[in-house]
Amino acid sequence: GENVEQHPSTLSVQEGDSAVIKCTYSDSASNYFPWYKQELGKGPQLIIDIRSNVGEKKDQRIAVTLNKTAKHFSLHITETQPEDSAVYFCAASPPNTGNQFYFGTGTSLTVIP
Amino acid sequence: DVKVTQSSRYLVKRTGEKVFLECVQDMDHENMFWYRQDPGLGLRLIYFSYDVKMKEKGDIPEGYSVSREKKERFSLILESASTNQTSMYLCASSVGGRRNEQFFGPGTRLTVL
Repeated sequence: GENVEQHPSTLSVQEGDSAVIKCTYSDSASNYFPWYKQELGKGPQLIIDIRSNVGEKKDQRIAVTLNKTAKHFSLHITETQPEDSAVYFCAASPPNTGNQFYFGTGTSLTVIP
Repeated sequence: DVKVTQSSRYLVKRTGEKVFLECVQDMDHENMFWYRQDPGLGLRLIYFSYDVKMKEKGDIPEGYSVSREKKERFSLILESASTNQTSMYLCASSVGGRRNEQFFGPGTRLTVL
C-alpha cells in the first residue's frame, strides 16, 4: 500500500517567519493530497488540499506544492502567527481505494511570539 | 457545518472488557472511518465503511471490529481490550465518490488498565 513520510517531526519558528513541512509518497498513482491541522484537544481539520493535475495551490498564507515526478509535496506557511501552532498531517490518497487516506506521522509546529 | 460526534472524550477500561466507541455524523455522508492516533505514528486506519452494513479492513484491524447499522452511525468494538489498545481514537466521515475531505470528530482517548 501507499507509504507517506513526513519531515520534520518538530519545527519551531519565530513569529512572522515561514514554515515548510515536506512529505514524500510511494505510490505514483496517488492523486489527492490533503493537509490537516490538529489543535490541542481537537480532531484534525482540513486546511488545504491539492489534486495531481495541479502543481501548486495557495490560500492566503498557506500554499501547497506538488512534484509528481519526485513524489513529494510540501506545505508552506508564510508570516506565521502563534495561532498556527499545532500538529500538521499530510496525507495521500490512491485511486481505487475509495476515499482512503494514508497519513504522514505529523509535524508539531511551534510559533514563538 | 458538518458535525462528527464521538460518544466519549475520555474512557478508562480494564483489560479483557468489551469496549464500544460510537461515532455519529449529521451530514448524510456515505463514508465513515475509524483511526487510531499514536505519538510518532500519525493516524492509522483501523476500519472504514462505504455504506450501511458494509465494512472494509484498514491497515490495523486486528483486535477490532465495527458495526454500521445506520448511515449516520459507525461503531468501533474492542472485543477484549488490551493495554496496547490504549490510544486516541478518531472517527471521520466523507461524501462518497471521488476523493473528498474527511471530517473528523474530536477523538476519544481510551486508556486500558
